[in-house]
Amino acid sequence: GAVVSQHPSRVICKSGTSVKIECRSLDFQATTMFWYRQFPKQSLMLMATSNEGSKATYEQGVEKDKFLINHASLTLSTLTVTSAHPEDSSFYICSASVAGGGSEQFFGPGTRLTVL
Amino acid sequence: QKEVEQDPGPLSVPEGAIVSLNCTYSNSAFQYFMWYRQYSRKGPELLMYTYSSGNKEDGRFTAQVDKSSKYISLFIRDSQPSDSATYLCAMSPTGGGNKLTFGTGTQLKVEL
Repeated sequence: GAVVSQHPSRVICKSGTSVKIECRSLDFQATTMFWYRQFPKQSLMLMATSNEGSKATYEQGVEKDKFLINHASLTLSTLTVTSAHPEDSSFYICSASVAGGGSEQFFGPGTRLTVL
Repeated sequence: QKEVEQDPGPLSVPEGAIVSLNCTYSNSAFQYFMWYRQYSRKGPELLMYTYSSGNKEDGRFTAQVDKSSKYISLFIRDSQPSDSATYLCAMSPTGGGNKLTFGTGTQLKVEL
């Protein structure tokens, strides 16, 4: 099956610093990648949708200047949390789908961000 | 009111039991319905994918969709300890590869 990786799996940073999370589709070309965040015992909340070569589409309430998304190639998307604060601590998960949407999006294993 | 409602549990059952998990939704535009399984600190994995109303069976898993009631279910037969996880329902108007709306997830524990 299709595999999506994320790096790092866990990161701890100081308040005010920026953190970059990578999402890669390992064995397929992903025209669309999604970024979610998940708080403990809560659902996945979609943050943004990115299409390769285009600007990301952010969900209402998500600060695009704080959560920078780049989808420079068909196998790589990055999420940069700028000037991170403790309230940004969460589990960030990416997913990827192929052209036309299809029937499935494949999820990465997630990145646990802790901001001190 | 949330678009998708799901009882967060936790739900604890003995090994071998039949498990019933449910979601209700309010958006009549949803046409595609999915169930994902998520182990602790891992990403979700797709279990079942259905379009419109009806039943779908895959091994020990059966998914049901009742669009008239805006109600979907996942049944797990002969539950095993390895089924212990959080089960998330997800929905989309346009397909599983597009924007999904998730339920909060139900935490299931299958005990020996």
